[in-house]
Amino acid sequence: DGGITQSPKYLFRKEGQNVTLSCEQNLNHDAMYWYRQDPGQGLRLIYYSQIVNDFQKGDIAEGYSVSREKKESFPLTVTSAQKNPTAFYLCASSRLAGSYEQYFGPGTRLTVT
Amino acid sequence: QQQVKQSPQSLIVQKGGISIINCAYENTAFDYFPWYQQFPGKGPALLIAIRPDVSEKKEGRFTISFNKSAKQFSLHIMDSQPGDSATYFCAASKAGTASKLTFGTGTRLQVTL
Repeated sequence: DGGITQSPKYLFRKEGQNVTLSCEQNLNHDAMYWYRQDPGQGLRLIYYSQIVNDFQKGDIAEGYSVSREKKESFPLTVTSAQKNPTAFYLCASSRLAGSYEQYFGPGTRLTVT
Repeated sequence: QQQVKQSPQSLIVQKGGISIINCAYENTAFDYFPWYQQFPGKGPALLIAIRPDVSEKKEGRFTISFNKSAKQFSLHIMDSQPGDSATYFCAASKAGTASKLTFGTGTRLQVTL
C-alpha cells in the first residue's frame, strides 16, 4: 500500500527542546517537501529536497533543519530557535518529471509549551 | 508577498447548491493550478488541476474555470453535498521549480442540509 507516513500524529514538547518529525514515503518519488500549516495562513514551505543528500530552504526555513540521507526519508527537526513552533506539519512528495502533483502525508500536530 | 490570493475565507452552501471559490495569482510564469481538499486533521489531497492552455476542466461535480488574461481561476462544486464540507486550497506552480507549490490561504466550506 503506497503512500506517505508521518509519525507521530501528535507531539508535545517543552520550550527549548529540539524535536524531530518523521516522514517516510514508498512511492519512489524523487522530491520531498515539508510544509507548516497555521489557521488562516494556508500551507507554507519550510524545506524541500529534489535528490538524496541535497535540500533547499523554502519560504520559512528559519529555526528548522532537515536531512535527506535516503530517498524514502526526509525528517524535519524543529529547533529551539523556532519562535512559534506550535503548528500542524505536513510532509509531501512528488515526481520531478511529468507531473507537479504532490502527495501529502496525514500530518503531525506539534504543541510546544 | 502573497502570490496566490484566495476568497472567500469561508462559505456556507445549502445541499444541492453550487459552491464557488476564487483564486487570483500574480506570477505569469505559473503553469499549473491545482485544487486540494483537506478534511480536519488530515493531509490535503489533490482534487483537480488545470494548465493554462485550457479554460475549463471538469471532473464529475468539480470544475475549474481558468481566465489567463485576468490571472484568475476558480473551483465550482455542483450539487454540493454535506460530504464536500472541508477546507479547499488553490495552489500554483511553475516549471523548473522542483514542483514547488504556492498555496492560497484556504476556504472553509460547509454544506448544510
